[in-house]
Amino acid sequence: DAKTTQPNSMESNEEEPVHLPCNHSTISGTDYIHWYRQLPSQGPEYVIHGLTSNVNNRMASLAIAEDRKSSTLILHRATLRDAAVYYCILRSLGGGSQGNLIFGKGTKLSVKP
Amino acid sequence: DAGVTQSPTHLIKTRGQHVTLRCSPISGHKSVSWYQQVLGQGPQFIFQYYEKEERGRGNFPDRFSARQFPNYSSELNVNALLLGDSALYLCASSLARWADVPGNTIYFGEGSWLTVV
Repeated sequence: DAKTTQPNSMESNEEEPVHLPCNHSTISGTDYIHWYRQLPSQGPEYVIHGLTSNVNNRMASLAIAEDRKSSTLILHRATLRDAAVYYCILRSLGGGSQGNLIFGKGTKLSVKP
Repeated sequence: DAGVTQSPTHLIKTRGQHVTLRCSPISGHKSVSWYQQVLGQGPQFIFQYYEKEERGRGNFPDRFSARQFPNYSSELNVNALLLGDSALYLCASSLARWADVPGNTIYFGEGSWLTVV
């Protein structure tokens, strides 16, 4: 699976939007971009995923660059509950690690009241 | 509906001992995966079982083994424990085998904290 690069940490103020970047310059055409987050003392939870087009769901939005070499997870209004480690993961259909996720170190998001 | 449940939540073992961790997937989910998360790192894939057969194995020594039962619950076994095995062990379940099948969300349990002394 292709590798992703994320900042180690970011800070945000409560009620403000947060843009979490992810670089994946070696992405292939069949790689999906997944985001998971892990709240303190909990297991990771799915946030969103996409292939080429921007995606929205009740938790967040995913903006994918036209060349797909980068993406941004957007939290429209950060709350204290959004403080977590956010992981950007590429999954390749038919790749060597089918059925599992390869996590990096992620971005630790802090939210200030 | 209950989520992925794991037991025990915390345990302490001595070097050289054996440990068994248990996982019950979400009802109807046939895929169970195990991950190890060392403090400060992201989770690392250990095993995946689908329909009671091993479908994937990460880069872990043979001291680690697992199995899936007819009711799709699973056990992770670690023999000859080392200090470096101290970690959070996460179980994840999903409906389908592939992580990127549309709609095939992977759900994680809260994990079992293992401390080896």
